[in-house]
Amino acid sequence: GNSVTQMEGPVTLSEEAFLTINCTYTATGYPSLFWYVQYPGEGLQLLLKATKADDKGSNKGFEATYRKETTSFHLEKGSVQVSDSAVYFCALSDRGDSSYKLIFGSGTRLLVRP
Amino acid sequence: ETGVTQSPTHLIKTRGQQVTLRCSSQSGHNTVSWYQQALGQGPQFIFQYYREEENGRGNFPPRFSGLQFPNYSSELNVNALELDDSALYLCASSSGTMAMSSGNTIYFGEGSWLTVV
Repeated sequence: GNSVTQMEGPVTLSEEAFLTINCTYTATGYPSLFWYVQYPGEGLQLLLKATKADDKGSNKGFEATYRKETTSFHLEKGSVQVSDSAVYFCALSDRGDSSYKLIFGSGTRLLVRP
Repeated sequence: ETGVTQSPTHLIKTRGQQVTLRCSSQSGHNTVSWYQQALGQGPQFIFQYYREEENGRGNFPPRFSGLQFPNYSSELNVNALELDDSALYLCASSSGTMAMSSGNTIYFGEGSWLTVV
């Protein structure tokens, strides 16, 4: 079945460092890809998305490019801030008979130190 | 603020009891999905409701059931609670079941934390 694999955390960085969180997927067809962020004690917020190969999603300085040839959707940010500390989830859309659902990776915790 | 509200935010139940969690979807959204997120893991799909009918289900036993009402709000019911049911339960709403394929956004609530003791 379809699946998402994320790099294990925690990832600890100093403020203004470059961030990469790796995400690879296994899927039949052409899923949409997503990054969600979860701040402590909160639900999920959509960070960015890409719906087809070579699309680049971007938001709040974060970027990710849908790479079909490497089945990857790595999250990057050029300069992280303390406020970016959260858990990041990579996800893909999975089609059932009459429904769509999201399949999530296990999450990567990011800790940014001042 | 996603417009998806869930209640209660926290609750504690005893093994064997039953629980009902509630979700009010974003205005105009006719599709609601429920996810279970165990501590330290990613959310897992429980089921989806569209126009008051279940139209997709994940790998969860029948003691997990749901309802969707004409105003598109929803309930998740779990019977015969087990310790492993302790998790954050997330509700997500969207406009149409094809939302994700078309790139439309689905919105998550802040979740209901369930602890089973």
